[in-house]
Amino acid sequence: GDSVIQMQGQVTLSENDFLFINCTYSTTGYPTLFWYVQYSGEGPQLLLQVTTANNKGSSRGFEATYDKGTTSFHLQKTSVQEIDSAVYYCAMRDYNQGKLIFGQGTKLSIKP
Amino acid sequence: EAAVTQSPRNKVTVTGGNVTLSCRQTNSHNYMYWYRQDTGHGLRLIHYSYGAGNLQIGDVPDGYKATRTTQEDFFLLLELASPSQTSLYFCASSDGTGRKQNTLYFGAGTRLSVL
Repeated sequence: GDSVIQMQGQVTLSENDFLFINCTYSTTGYPTLFWYVQYSGEGPQLLLQVTTANNKGSSRGFEATYDKGTTSFHLQKTSVQEIDSAVYYCAMRDYNQGKLIFGQGTKLSIKP
Repeated sequence: EAAVTQSPRNKVTVTGGNVTLSCRQTNSHNYMYWYRQDTGHGLRLIHYSYGAGNLQIGDVPDGYKATRTTQEDFFLLLELASPSQTSLYFCASSDGTGRKQNTLYFGAGTRLSVL
């Protein structure tokens, strides 16, 4: 079945460091890919959507790309700040299904 | 801004107990979802629904029932709660048309402890 794998369970960076989070996906359909962010005590919220292979999405200084050839997608930010501390989830929706499948989540901690 | 309200926010029950988690959305979205969130597993889909009276099975449905009574209300039922169902539960909704379908709006979560 469809799946999304997010291997980095926890990432600790200092302010102004570069952030890179990677996910891989598996599907027989036509995926739409997303990044969601969850701040402490809140539910997840949409950060970015990427719908075209080799096309970038961007929001709040974050940038997302996806590579259809390697079935992987990435979230990056050039210079993280303390306010970026959160859990980041990659997710996939198959074109033919009404459900969203999430990765395991990456907890980002920023040292001031 | 989409509004999704979950109740209760916290619940403690005993093994074998009967629990109902409630979710209401006020933006006329046709899709609603129940997820559980556990460390190391992320968000896993339990059940979802396209509209009132409709129910679709998610990826981890065992031990859970759900019912969509109206477009606004979606309930998750644990009829014989077990300690393995201790978790943080999230309800979400989304519009079913075009690109809007892709954005899920989540509630604040219900923390359930089964002793």
